[in-house]
Amino acid sequence: AQSVTQLDSHVSVSEGTPVLLRCNYSSSYSPSLFWYVQHPNKGLQLLLKYTSAATLVKGINGFEAEFKKSETSFHLTKPSAHMSDAAEYFCVVSGSVSGGYNKLIFGAGTRLAVHP
Amino acid sequence: DSGVTQTPKHLITATGQRVTLRCSPRSGDLSVYWYQQSLDQGLQFLIQYYNGEERAKGNILERFSAQQFPDLHSELNLSSLELGDSALYFCASSPRDRDSQPQHFGDGTRLSIL
Repeated sequence: AQSVTQLDSHVSVSEGTPVLLRCNYSSSYSPSLFWYVQHPNKGLQLLLKYTSAATLVKGINGFEAEFKKSETSFHLTKPSAHMSDAAEYFCVVSGSVSGGYNKLIFGAGTRLAVHP
Repeated sequence: DSGVTQTPKHLITATGQRVTLRCSPRSGDLSVYWYQQSLDQGLQFLIQYYNGEERAKGNILERFSAQQFPDLHSELNLSSLELGDSALYFCASSPRDRDSQPQHFGDGTRLSIL
C-alpha cells in the first residue's frame, strides 16, 4: 500500500529566504509523486510531478523537488520565498485501489507562512 | 483556471437533509473523482467515475452516492446529512482512468450543516 508523510504541519520563513517542505513516502513499487498547493478558498493546483523520468523535477513558480529513492523522500524546495507562496502544500502519491485504478493519496499538508 | 467547474460554491443546510453537488470536468477528460476535505480527516478520496461507469471507491459513506452522465458531468448526492458531513468537497478530472496523470481540481463546494 502507498502512503505519504509530511514531516512538518507548519513552516514559517521570511520573504527572500529558502523554503523546504519535507515529504516521505511509502510505496511497494515505483511511485508517481506530486506536490499540490492550495490557496485559501481555492482548489488544489499542481506544482510539479515525478514519474521516473528525472529525479530532480522543476515545477511552476520556481519550486522544485528531488526524488531520493534511498531516503524515500520527495522534498519541495524554493530558493527564495515570496509573500504569494503562503498557502497549504500537499505531497501526494498516486496509489492503486482494487483493479489497479488510479487514486491520489494525500499527505496531511504543510501550511507555509511567509513573513515580510 | 483548471477547467473543472463545481457548483454551488457554498451550500448551507440542516441535519437530515439531502443535497446534490455538481461537477463539470475539464474538456476532454473522461474521469471524474470526488474528494472530501475536512479538518479532522484531511483530504480523502471518495469515488471515481470513468465515462459513465463507477471505477473505484474510497472512503465513501453509504449515505453518499454519485453518478456520471452521458455529457460527462458528475453529481455527488449526500443524504441524511449529519454535522460531521460539513466539509469542502472537491471534484477532479483526468483524461483516462488507469494512469498517473495529475488530476485537475475544481475550486470545491463548501458544505455547512447547521
